Amino acid sequence: GNSVTQMEGPVTLSEEAFLTINCTYTATGYPSLFWYVQYPGEGLQLLLKATKADDKGSNKGFEATYRKETTSFHLEKGSVQVSDSAVYFCALSDYGASKIIFGSGTRLSIRP
Amino acid sequence: GAVVSQHPSWVICKSGTSVKIECRSLDFQATTMFWYRQFPKQSLMLMATSNEGSKATYEQGVEKDKFLINHASLTLSTLTVTSAHPEDSSFYICSARLSGGAEGYTFGSGTRLTVV
Repeated sequence: GNSVTQMEGPVTLSEEAFLTINCTYTATGYPSLFWYVQYPGEGLQLLLKATKADDKGSNKGFEATYRKETTSFHLEKGSVQVSDSAVYFCALSDYGASKIIFGSGTRLSIRP
Repeated sequence: GAVVSQHPSWVICKSGTSVKIECRSLDFQATTMFWYRQFPKQSLMLMATSNEGSKATYEQGVEKDKFLINHASLTLSTLTVTSAHPEDSSFYICSARLSGGAEGYTFGSGTRLTVV
């Protein structure tokens, strides 16, 4: 079945460091891929998405490219800020299955 | 953008009582809503999928008699935790799928339930 495997956390970085959070997926067909962010005590917010191979999603300085050949959708940011501290979830949506599947989440902490 | 309003944001209840959580789609019609449960420092676990006007579809291992889901209109879905016990304490989040699925999903802000 469909699944998402995500880099284990927690990840702790200094402000302005480069961030990569790895995400790989297993799916039949052509899923849409998402990154969601969850701030403490809140629900999930869509950070970015990509709907087909080679698409690049971007938002708030974060980027991720849909790589079909490596079944990956790694999240990157060139210079993180303290306000980026949150939990990040990689997810896929297979329209045929009519549901969204989440990775285990990666907790990111940024030191000033 | 599409917003799902979830409330209450937190609730404390006594063991044996029932708690209702509401999710409303504010500026769109949500034919399908999803209910998730999240344990501390863990991912979201899909509990059930609710479709307007029909019975909810529960995931394996979720007690349908304990977690009652009602989706009576295109803008409102409710989750009732019946006869709550401390092990039901968790963070519950609802979600609605935006058009076509490729646009993603919008999430409520979550409800933290504590059963004492």
